[in-house]
Amino acid sequence: LAKTTQPISMDSYEGQEVNITCSHNNIATNDYITWYQQFPSQGPRFIIQGYKTKVTNEVASLFIPADRKSSTLSLPRVSLSDTAVYYCLVGPGRRALTFGSGTRLQVQP
Amino acid sequence: EAGVAQSPRYKIIEKRQSVAFWCNPISGHATLYWYQQILGQGPKLLIQFQNNGVVDDSQLPKDRFSAERLKGVDSTLKIQPAKLEDSAVYLCASSFFGDSQETQYFGPGTRLLVL
Repeated sequence: LAKTTQPISMDSYEGQEVNITCSHNNIATNDYITWYQQFPSQGPRFIIQGYKTKVTNEVASLFIPADRKSSTLSLPRVSLSDTAVYYCLVGPGRRALTFGSGTRLQVQP
Repeated sequence: EAGVAQSPRYKIIEKRQSVAFWCNPISGHATLYWYQQILGQGPKLLIQFQNNGVVDDSQLPKDRFSAERLKGVDSTLKIQPAKLEDSAVYLCASSFFGDSQETQYFGPGTRLLVL
């Protein structure tokens, strides 16, 4: 399974764009990249999934370079309610089951 | 659409006691997962069911943990006997077989404290 590395924590202010980068150097050809969000006292919630280039939904964008060894989750104009832990998961295939320690995002007013 | 239900939400037991957690997945979701999340860490998969069959239980401590999904719907996870290091949140998730993104839907979890 591909190992992922992401920053332990990040700080931002309301209204800013936040980019969280995840490294996955040994990603397999058929692996997808999936991001989950977790609020305190809740289970994780699916945000976005992608294979290459760029994926966008109503919540976030996911940028994946051609070599697929990293990916960046972009959250536009964050608010206080985006304070959470964000997990980057890789494969196998589309089934992402291995969570790392995640990135703790703190949004301040 | 109702989400994944778990009970109880909280449980406090003494070491060497037994405990059981219950999960009711989203209707129609054939795949069910149990995760253990220790404070400050990401969730760790314990066991995965496809209908009532086990797909992966490689990380389940089988000397003390057991899980079943007898009718392919509800599931129970049991710990017997509990150890101090079992203190964690136990998360249940389900997914729809055929979902192109294999999205997992998580329940609120059961917070276990072993004294």
